[in-house]
Amino acid sequence: GAVVSQHPSRVICKSGTSVKIECRSLDFQATTMFWYRQFPKQSLMLMATSNEGSKATYEQGVEKDKFLINHASLTLSTLTVTSAHPEDSSFYICSASTGEKQFFGPGTRLTVL
Amino acid sequence: AQKVTQAQTEISVVEKEDVTLDCVYETRDTTYYLFWYKQPPSGELVFLIRRNSFDEQNEISGRYSWNFQKSTSSFNFTITASQVVDSAVYFCALSERSYNTDKLIFGTGTRLQVFP
Repeated sequence: GAVVSQHPSRVICKSGTSVKIECRSLDFQATTMFWYRQFPKQSLMLMATSNEGSKATYEQGVEKDKFLINHASLTLSTLTVTSAHPEDSSFYICSASTGEKQFFGPGTRLTVL
Repeated sequence: AQKVTQAQTEISVVEKEDVTLDCVYETRDTTYYLFWYKQPPSGELVFLIRRNSFDEQNEISGRYSWNFQKSTSSFNFTITASQVVDSAVYFCALSERSYNTDKLIFGTGTRLQVFP
């Protein structure tokens, strides 16, 4: 099956710093990638939809200036959490779509101290 | 609006028992897709099944089976002869097609614990 990777898998940072998370589709081209956030013992909440070469579409309540998404190629999307605060600590999961199926990355656990 | 409800928050069973995870959905679309994903403790989502709204046939894959009932807007998942390795959180999801992309709307998940 299709493989999606995320890097890093875990990151711990100080409050106020920015963190970049990469999502790559390793063996297929994904015109659309999605970013989800999952708080402990909760469901996945879609943050934004990212299309290659265009601006991301953010879900209601997600700050686009805080969560910067770049989809520079058909195999790479990045999520940058700017000026991270403890409340941004969460599990961030990306997925890449072939148009028929979504393949999920392994997730990135962000802890902001 | 689209919505997925998984009323069972946690289920505990003993190995070899059968267990059914419930999923009820709401949508105004006539064409939609339903999914089940497994999330083990490692966190990575594992795709289990995708079913389109026009295919109401039940499906069996090994110990897994799915019952799609459009009349009750339900897409239930049964694990037969459960095993400890089945312990995970299971999510039901509904796809909302928007500009040819599939936005997934997840239920709140059901945590399944299988005890030896």
